[in-house]
Amino acid sequence: SSEMTQPPSVSVSPGQTASITCSGDDLGNKYVSWYQQRPGQSPALVIYRDDNRPSGIPERFSGSNSGNTATLTISGTQPMDEADYYCQAWDRSTVMFGGGTKLTVL
Amino acid sequence: QVTLKESGPVLVKPTETLTLTCTVSGFSLSNARMGVSWIRQPPGKALEWLAHILSNDEETYSPTLKSRLSISKDTSKSQVVLTMTNMDPVDTATYFCVRMNSETYPSLLDYWGQGTLVTVSS
Repeated sequence: SSEMTQPPSVSVSPGQTASITCSGDDLGNKYVSWYQQRPGQSPALVIYRDDNRPSGIPERFSGSNSGNTATLTISGTQPMDEADYYCQAWDRSTVMFGGGTKLTVL
Repeated sequence: QVTLKESGPVLVKPTETLTLTCTVSGFSLSNARMGVSWIRQPPGKALEWLAHILSNDEETYSPTLKSRLSISKDTSKSQVVLTMTNMDPVDTATYFCVRMNSETYPSLLDYWGQGTLVTVSS
């Protein structure tokens, strides 16, 4: 099955824009979802089908996917956005996750 | 209100078989657009998908763990059961059950249980 690669960590200052990438072979031809996992909590869906936000997810969260890279962008990052973020895609009938990125807001 | 709750042993010995139960509410396991996945996360590590089961009882497994896993459901009890054989300390992880929603394409992992930490140790 395909692998998806994320940077282990990303740092951002409050109010700035954070970008988290997810790379994989031909990823642009798959739909990508993103999950946020705060410490001690279960993951929560923040982006699906590349660029769609579930109800209740702030507009500062957006996504894109093209070529071999999907990107989660958080505009006007807030301290509450500090968390681990995972990309996810389907490979035929199986689920793939990226290795996760720890977003630090400092 | 959709909820999923995992239950099972907190400690298993090496070589033993792990059996976990996911009890769901707020949706039916007979709904053609709903399924349940099991996903695990070793302490401090990434998420790993294990298996899922659909309303028609179709099962799909992680290729790397397929030989050790079995998933089943009891629709009348709103429960999904995962068994994993020959447990090893590297299987120590928090195990999540997750609703798989096929109302959109592709399916979404939209509701997660709280997870249950399983430790493998003698």
